[in-house]
Amino acid sequence: AQKITQTQPGMFVQEKEAVTLDCTYDTSDPSYGLFWYKQPSSGEMIFLIYQGSYDQQNATEGRYSLNFQKARKSANLVISASQLGDSAMYFCAMREGGYSTLTFGKGTMLLVSP
Amino acid sequence: EAGVAQSPRYKIIEKRQSVAFWCNPISGHATLYWYQQILGQGPKLLIQFQNNGVVDDSQLPKDRFSAERLKGVDSTLKIQPAKLEDSAVYLCASSPRTPPQETQYFGPGTRLLVL
Repeated sequence: AQKITQTQPGMFVQEKEAVTLDCTYDTSDPSYGLFWYKQPSSGEMIFLIYQGSYDQQNATEGRYSLNFQKARKSANLVISASQLGDSAMYFCAMREGGYSTLTFGKGTMLLVSP
Repeated sequence: EAGVAQSPRYKIIEKRQSVAFWCNPISGHATLYWYQQILGQGPKLLIQFQNNGVVDDSQLPKDRFSAERLKGVDSTLKIQPAKLEDSAVYLCASSPRTPPQETQYFGPGTRLLVL
Protein backbone atom coordinates (compact mmCIF):
# COMPACT_ATOMS: atom_id res chain seq x y z
CA ALA A 1 0.00 0.00 0.00
CA GLN A 2 1.11 3.54 -0.72
CA LYS A 3 2.31 5.34 2.38
CA ILE A 4 1.36 8.79 1.07
CA THR A 5 -1.55 9.32 -1.31
CA GLN A 6 -2.30 12.57 -3.07
CA THR A 7 -5.42 11.99 -5.16
CA GLN A 8 -5.52 15.33 -6.96
CA PRO A 9 -3.14 15.44 -9.94
CA GLY A 10 -4.05 19.08 -10.55
CA MET A 11 -6.02 21.89 -8.95
CA PHE A 12 -7.13 25.26 -10.26
CA VAL A 13 -7.92 28.24 -8.06
CA GLN A 14 -8.47 31.93 -8.63
CA GLU A 15 -6.25 34.50 -7.02
CA LYS A 16 -7.30 35.47 -3.47
CA GLU A 17 -9.36 32.31 -3.00
CA ALA A 18 -8.53 29.52 -0.55
CA VAL A 19 -7.60 26.03 -1.75
CA THR A 20 -7.24 22.65 -0.04
CA LEU A 21 -4.75 20.05 -1.23
CA ASP A 22 -5.49 16.53 -0.05
CA CYS A 23 -3.08 14.07 1.53
CA THR A 24 -3.77 10.74 3.20
CA TYR A 25 -1.13 8.58 4.82
CA ASP A 26 -0.68 5.04 6.01
CA THR A 27 1.44 4.04 8.99
CA SER A 28 1.18 1.79 12.03
CA ASP A 29 3.83 3.74 13.93
CA PRO A 30 2.29 5.98 16.61
CA SER A 31 5.13 8.49 16.21
CA TYR A 32 5.38 10.19 12.84
CA GLY A 33 5.72 13.57 11.21
CA LEU A 34 3.98 15.03 8.20
CA PHE A 35 5.50 17.64 5.91
CA TRP A 36 4.37 19.72 2.97
CA TYR A 37 6.81 20.98 0.36
CA LYS A 38 6.35 23.31 -2.59
CA GLN A 39 8.28 22.73 -5.81
CA PRO A 40 8.15 25.58 -8.33
CA SER A 41 9.29 25.10 -11.91
CA SER A 42 12.85 25.96 -10.84
CA GLY A 43 12.98 22.55 -9.16
CA GLU A 44 13.89 23.38 -5.58
CA MET A 45 11.79 21.79 -2.83
CA ILE A 46 10.68 24.47 -0.39
CA PHE A 47 9.56 23.44 3.10
CA LEU A 48 6.16 24.85 4.01
CA ILE A 49 4.77 23.27 7.15
CA TYR A 50 5.19 20.40 9.63
CA GLN A 51 2.74 18.45 11.81
CA GLY A 52 3.83 15.95 14.42
CA SER A 53 1.59 13.01 15.29
CA TYR A 54 1.44 14.06 18.92
CA ASP A 55 0.78 17.72 18.23
CA GLN A 56 -2.55 18.73 19.74
CA GLN A 57 -3.18 21.68 17.46
CA ASN A 58 -3.15 21.98 13.71
CA ALA A 59 0.02 23.59 12.39
CA THR A 60 -0.10 27.03 10.83
CA GLU A 61 2.57 29.03 9.01
CA GLY A 62 1.39 32.32 7.58
CA ARG A 63 -1.08 31.57 4.77
CA TYR A 64 -0.51 27.82 5.14
CA SER A 65 -2.37 25.63 7.58
CA LEU A 66 -2.52 21.89 7.95
CA ASN A 67 -5.90 20.26 8.54
CA PHE A 68 -4.75 17.23 10.55
CA GLN A 69 -7.39 14.53 11.09
CA LYS A 70 -5.59 11.71 12.83
CA ALA A 71 -8.44 9.21 12.89
CA ARG A 72 -8.90 9.63 9.14
CA LYS A 73 -5.14 9.65 8.57
CA SER A 74 -5.37 12.81 6.55
CA ALA A 75 -3.16 15.90 6.54
CA ASN A 76 -4.60 18.34 4.05
CA LEU A 77 -2.82 21.59 3.23
CA VAL A 78 -4.94 24.73 3.18
CA ILE A 79 -3.62 27.79 1.39
CA SER A 80 -5.59 30.92 2.15
CA ALA A 81 -5.72 33.95 -0.16
CA SER A 82 -3.93 32.27 -3.09
CA GLN A 83 -1.32 34.27 -4.97
CA LEU A 84 -0.01 33.83 -8.50
CA GLY A 85 3.33 32.79 -7.02
CA ASP A 86 1.65 29.82 -5.36
CA SER A 87 1.48 28.06 -8.74
CA ALA A 88 3.72 25.01 -8.28
CA MET A 89 3.79 21.31 -7.46
CA TYR A 90 2.96 20.49 -3.86
CA PHE A 91 4.22 17.34 -2.15
CA CYS A 92 3.06 15.73 1.05
CA ALA A 93 5.68 13.64 2.88
CA MET A 94 5.89 11.50 6.01
CA ARG A 95 8.62 10.49 8.41
CA GLU A 96 7.93 7.46 10.58
CA GLY A 97 9.22 6.71 14.04
CA GLY A 98 12.85 7.48 14.75
CA TYR A 99 13.82 7.48 11.10
CA SER A 100 14.53 10.79 9.41
CA THR A 101 13.86 9.38 5.93
CA LEU A 102 10.94 11.04 4.14
CA THR A 103 8.43 9.22 1.94
CA PHE A 104 6.81 11.51 -0.60
CA GLY A 105 3.49 11.40 -2.41
CA LYS A 106 3.21 11.93 -6.16
CA GLY A 107 2.29 15.57 -5.79
CA THR A 108 -0.48 17.95 -6.81
CA MET A 109 0.01 20.65 -9.42
CA LEU A 110 -1.65 23.90 -8.32
CA LEU A 111 -2.39 26.60 -10.85
CA VAL A 112 -3.50 30.02 -9.64
CA SER A 113 -5.23 32.21 -12.20
CA PRO A 114 -5.68 36.00 -12.08
CA GLU B 1 22.45 31.58 5.97
CA ALA B 2 23.43 29.94 2.70
CA GLY B 3 21.21 27.11 1.48
CA VAL B 4 22.13 23.73 0.06
CA ALA B 5 24.33 24.13 -3.00
CA GLN B 6 24.41 21.68 -5.89
CA SER B 7 26.31 21.52 -9.15
CA PRO B 8 26.01 21.19 -12.00
CA ARG B 9 22.42 22.37 -12.49
CA TYR B 10 22.04 20.52 -15.79
CA LYS B 11 23.83 17.63 -17.40
CA ILE B 12 23.30 15.80 -20.67
CA ILE B 13 25.22 12.58 -21.29
CA GLU B 14 24.97 9.52 -23.47
CA LYS B 15 24.12 6.14 -22.04
CA ARG B 16 27.02 4.17 -20.67
CA GLN B 17 28.90 7.37 -19.81
CA SER B 18 29.65 8.35 -16.23
CA VAL B 19 28.53 11.45 -14.39
CA ALA B 20 29.09 12.99 -10.95
CA PHE B 21 27.06 15.43 -8.92
CA TRP B 22 28.25 17.58 -6.05
CA CYS B 23 26.42 18.83 -2.97
CA ASN B 24 27.39 21.24 -0.22
CA PRO B 25 24.89 21.13 2.68
CA ILE B 26 23.88 23.91 5.02
CA SER B 27 26.68 24.64 7.46
CA GLY B 28 26.39 22.58 10.61
CA HIS B 29 23.86 20.10 9.23
CA ALA B 30 24.94 16.61 10.20
CA THR B 31 22.57 14.68 7.96
CA LEU B 32 22.73 14.69 4.18
CA TYR B 33 20.39 13.00 1.71
CA TRP B 34 20.39 12.27 -2.00
CA TYR B 35 17.04 11.85 -3.73
CA GLN B 36 16.10 10.87 -7.25
CA GLN B 37 12.99 12.50 -8.70
CA ILE B 38 11.69 11.03 -11.94
CA LEU B 39 9.33 13.23 -13.96
CA GLY B 40 5.81 13.14 -12.56
CA GLN B 41 6.78 11.51 -9.28
CA GLY B 42 7.82 12.53 -5.81
CA PRO B 43 11.46 12.31 -4.72
CA LYS B 44 12.77 8.89 -3.76
CA LEU B 45 15.60 8.52 -1.27
CA LEU B 46 18.82 7.06 -2.66
CA ILE B 47 21.15 7.42 0.29
CA GLN B 48 21.36 9.10 3.68
CA PHE B 49 24.54 10.11 5.50
CA GLN B 50 24.95 10.97 9.16
CA ASN B 51 28.18 12.95 9.29
CA ASN B 52 30.37 10.82 6.98
CA GLY B 53 28.72 7.48 7.71
CA VAL B 54 25.98 5.84 5.65
CA VAL B 55 22.67 5.46 7.52
CA ASP B 56 20.47 4.15 4.72
CA ASP B 57 21.42 3.12 1.19
CA SER B 58 18.81 0.40 0.73
CA GLN B 59 17.39 2.00 -2.44
CA LEU B 60 20.69 2.88 -4.05
CA PRO B 61 21.39 0.79 -7.19
CA LYS B 62 24.84 -0.13 -6.04
CA ASP B 63 25.87 -1.76 -9.30
CA ARG B 64 26.01 1.68 -10.92
CA PHE B 65 25.50 4.33 -8.26
CA SER B 66 28.00 5.34 -5.59
CA ALA B 67 28.14 8.19 -3.11
CA GLU B 68 30.56 9.49 -0.57
CA ARG B 69 30.69 12.23 2.00
CA LEU B 70 34.22 13.11 2.88
CA LYS B 71 34.94 14.83 6.19
CA GLY B 72 31.21 14.91 6.94
CA VAL B 73 30.55 17.97 4.79
CA ASP B 74 30.40 17.90 0.96
CA SER B 75 29.08 14.89 -0.88
CA THR B 76 29.33 13.49 -4.38
CA LEU B 77 26.97 11.10 -6.13
CA LYS B 78 28.27 9.16 -9.13
CA ILE B 79 26.56 7.11 -11.80
CA GLN B 80 28.69 4.73 -13.85
CA PRO B 81 27.58 3.62 -16.38
CA ALA B 82 24.41 5.68 -16.90
CA LYS B 83 21.22 4.19 -18.32
CA LEU B 84 18.32 5.91 -20.06
CA GLU B 85 16.11 5.39 -16.99
CA ASP B 86 18.53 7.44 -14.87
CA SER B 87 17.16 10.59 -16.50
CA ALA B 88 15.78 12.50 -13.53
CA VAL B 89 16.38 15.36 -11.14
CA TYR B 90 18.87 14.54 -8.39
CA LEU B 91 18.12 16.45 -5.24
CA CYS B 92 20.41 16.90 -2.28
CA ALA B 93 18.99 17.80 1.12
CA SER B 94 20.38 18.35 4.59
CA SER B 95 18.91 18.51 8.06
CA PRO B 96 20.08 19.47 11.52
CA ARG B 97 19.82 17.07 14.41
CA THR B 98 16.84 18.74 16.07
CA PRO B 99 14.29 16.02 16.77
CA PRO B 100 11.48 15.44 16.35
CA GLN B 101 10.98 17.71 13.38
CA GLU B 102 14.37 17.44 11.62
CA THR B 103 13.17 19.41 8.64
CA GLN B 104 15.04 18.63 5.44
CA TYR B 105 16.19 21.58 3.35
CA PHE B 106 16.71 20.93 -0.33
CA GLY B 107 19.10 22.25 -2.93
CA PRO B 108 18.04 23.34 -6.46
CA GLY B 109 18.76 19.90 -7.90
CA THR B 110 20.69 18.62 -10.90
CA ARG B 111 18.64 17.76 -13.98
CA LEU B 112 20.18 14.78 -15.76
CA LEU B 113 19.23 13.72 -19.25
CA VAL B 114 20.65 10.45 -20.55
CA LEU B 115 20.45 10.03 -24.32
